[in-house]
Amino acid sequence: DVKVTQSSRYLVKRTGEKVFLECVQDMDHENMFWYRQDPGLGLRLIYFSYDVKMKEKGDIPEGYSVSREKKERFSLILESASTNQTSMYLCASSPAQETQYFGPGTRLLVL
Amino acid sequence: AQSVTQPDIHITVSEGASLELRCNYSYGATPYLFWYVQSPGQGLQLLLKYFSGDTLVQGIKGFEAEFKRSQSSFNLRKPSVHWSDAAEYFCAVGPLGGGFKTIFGAGTRLFVKA
Repeated sequence: DVKVTQSSRYLVKRTGEKVFLECVQDMDHENMFWYRQDPGLGLRLIYFSYDVKMKEKGDIPEGYSVSREKKERFSLILESASTNQTSMYLCASSPAQETQYFGPGTRLLVL
Repeated sequence: AQSVTQPDIHITVSEGASLELRCNYSYGATPYLFWYVQSPGQGLQLLLKYFSGDTLVQGIKGFEAEFKRSQSSFNLRKPSVHWSDAAEYFCAVGPLGGGFKTIFGAGTRLFVKA
């Protein structure tokens, strides 16, 4: 079975802090994704990566950056957390243009 | 613009009753279509997908969906709902234009009453 893990299930941070969210997949997938999920808005793509060190902006990249130094790991970085970044963050991976496999999510609260 | 619409924010059905969740999409060509389910506090799990071929697709947990090109719809159905089906359901379209982006609908939350 494909397994996608996220470093934290719940996270509480203060405004202005730098926040790292880590995602690891164990199936050698080329593609990895970061989404945020908010009630009534569904999933919105923040960034995705189709190879090591490669990244593309999604629909809402402002305030976020990403890093993919190894194929199995994709990190989302909030450079200076703000209250409007309080959300559920979901990581996913997929083989080329195929089904996405999701991690359990990280619920982030920014105070 | 490509989009996915799930008209029902929430639906309540009785246990044992049939279920249909609606999904309409806007896309310039035949899309790849997915239904995912999210249980409380969990990530999304694939229920079924349509890429080509038979327009009636069977998935896990007794779900099925039918692709209707003329109606731009991909509705999810189950003949008899179980209490454990209570969750949020997302319809998705992608990848778009041969790329990597999948567009998700806003979701439909299913409540099951005894």
